[in-house]
Order: sequence, then structure tokens, then C-alpha cells
Amino acid sequence: ETGVTQTPRHLVMGMTNKKSLKCEQHLGHNAMYWYKQSAKKPLELMFVYNFKEQTENNSVPSRFSPECPNSSHLFLHLHTLQPEDSALYLCASSQDHGGWRNSPLHFGNGTRLTVT
Amino acid sequence: EDQVTQSPEALRLQEGESSSLNCSYTVSGLRGLFWYRQDPGKGPEFLFTLYSAGEEKEKERLKATLTKKESFLHITAPKPEDSATYLCAVQPAGNYQLIWGAGTKLIIKP
Repeated sequence: ETGVTQTPRHLVMGMTNKKSLKCEQHLGHNAMYWYKQSAKKPLELMFVYNFKEQTENNSVPSRFSPECPNSSHLFLHLHTLQPEDSALYLCASSQDHGGWRNSPLHFGNGTRLTVT
Repeated sequence: EDQVTQSPEALRLQEGESSSLNCSYTVSGLRGLFWYRQDPGKGPEFLFTLYSAGEEKEKERLKATLTKKESFLHITAPKPEDSATYLCAVQPAGNYQLIWGAGTKLIIKP
């Protein structure tokens, strides 16, 4: 299997639930990202991991908790979410992050999250 | 403040009708400008990177150009399969994070 794979594709959860999103990349990349995509709004960067170390956290609420056990896997743990957190959550990878010029991002197909 | 604006928000064309999408940016120095294509239910797919004014890149019916203030994505004789949302992102100088536009939804009618 190649590319970036995200599971599940769809998730419906209540505000009191705890769930996790999973991302796996088979491209040999060193950087992985979580983005939030809401309708008609620009992509919002949430977290960046470079060589398994978190390098960016864009003031994301603590109800979102990332985990990167190795350079191929990335998780986003969710708890006590709000309805406004409903969105498409995209995982991406790139060769590296933080260089003079960014490498292109390779995205998964996302998890469509609905918080009820 | 660094900003990226894409226009129009949506564009409907007949098959074969050429046109251009615009990505204007206001950043303190440009390291790179990226174009992506996103199909419904899928993640964005990388198309091009442009680094300096005057640079052009082509792929099939698409050609991306760059000036000091904006980039154009020209689509020549489009086909229905070119229908997608096209996203533009900019890497400013001195910043590793991309600044994204909101996208242009392109619809090509047969």
C-alpha cells in the first residue's frame, strides 16, 4: 500500500465521547501534519511532527491531543469535543519540515467528523 | 499581515472554454507558492510549486504562472474531469508554515 491512509473515513461522536483518528504514511517521509478543513475556509494547520518531534502547535484546544509514535504513524486523540469541531480532518506528510523551502505535502483522504 | 486570496470563489465553464484562476498574496518575501487540486471526498493533491516571479510550470491542460503579487492557474480547453477545487498556498520568507487560500471550485460542464 502506498501514500497516506486515514481511518476512519467517517466518525460521528457525542460531546462526551473519546475517539482517535489514525494516519499512516508509506512514503518514507519524515514530517507529518494534522490539518482541519471547514467549508469555504482555508486549511488550518493544527500540529506538525518532524522526525517524531512536535514542532508546531497552532494554539489548538487541549481537547485535541496528537501522538506520533514513529515517523510513519500519527494519531489525533479527541475528547469532549464541541459541535463546532465538526469538520474534515486531514493528515499529510512531507519529506521534511523546516527547511529553507517546504517540500510538497501528500494528503490522506481525511476523516469526516461530526460532533453531535 | 500575511494573506492569500483566491478568486473567483466558484467558476463554471463549458467544456473547451479556457479560463484562469487567481491566487493573490501579500507576504513579507516569498519562499514558494503551491497549487493543489482537491476532488470531492478526497484530500488535496499536489500540482505545482513556483519559486520566483516569471516562473511557469505546465501539466496537461494546466499552466501555473507567478508574478510578485499573484499566481494564475490557466486551464486550456478543460474537460469535465478537470472539475475540482483548486487550492493555493504560500510559504513566506522566514516561516515554515504555509498560508492557504480558501480555494476556487471549478465546474466544467459537458
